[in-house]
Amino acid sequence: DTGVSQNPRHKITKRGQNVTFRCDPISEHNRLYWYRQTLGQGPEFLTYFQNEAQLEKSRLLSDRFSAERPKGSFSTLEIQRTEQGDSAMYLCASSFLKGTGRYTFGSGTRLTVV
Amino acid sequence: AQSVTQPDIHITVSEGASLELRCNYSYGATPYLFWYVQSPGQGLQLLLKYFSGDTLVQGIKGFEAEFKRSQSSFNLRKPSVHWSDAAEYFCAVGVAAGGTSYGKLTFGQGTILTVHP
Repeated sequence: DTGVSQNPRHKITKRGQNVTFRCDPISEHNRLYWYRQTLGQGPEFLTYFQNEAQLEKSRLLSDRFSAERPKGSFSTLEIQRTEQGDSAMYLCASSFLKGTGRYTFGSGTRLTVV
Repeated sequence: AQSVTQPDIHITVSEGASLELRCNYSYGATPYLFWYVQSPGQGLQLLLKYFSGDTLVQGIKGFEAEFKRSQSSFNLRKPSVHWSDAAEYFCAVGVAAGGTSYGKLTFGQGTILTVHP
């Protein structure tokens, strides 16, 4: 069990640029989740995948956000035309479909938009 | 829609003192309830969870929590706090997703715990 890996750990970008984050889940896990956490707040759900299918998207996920999980393995979260309000920690988690579905969280990618 | 409220944004205790962090939830069905801890720059670590059965659940690091359906609460407790417990604590409710599994989590805003020597 190598855990959930997220890259990069930190990203600083200029407003208007596009950014992409990657999440490598625990290899046996069917489900993969993305959350966003801003300063002083708890994580907020963005979207989740079951294998390669994106099953749910939050209203927080505007048209500038897109997530993919090709082949049901790693996932990418892209933000187009970044805004200062996108500055946050982006957390990925994975879990088994069966059983209790216990999550394992990654350490996150911290995005700063300047 | 489900929601979680953690009334205390910041709590300060002395090392060795007891601790209780409050959590109230709103959910239309039997909830899946969790407490996570997050240290600066770290991911979320699960302390304990409640799915069903005994309403007093034991977790890691000497933490426990009690589910009270009548009060819609799931408060976290520790009898004697250690300096290493200083961190941010999040309560969360999970949406059932078939069988015994849960899907997305809804988190509270967190409680920052400071421990004085």
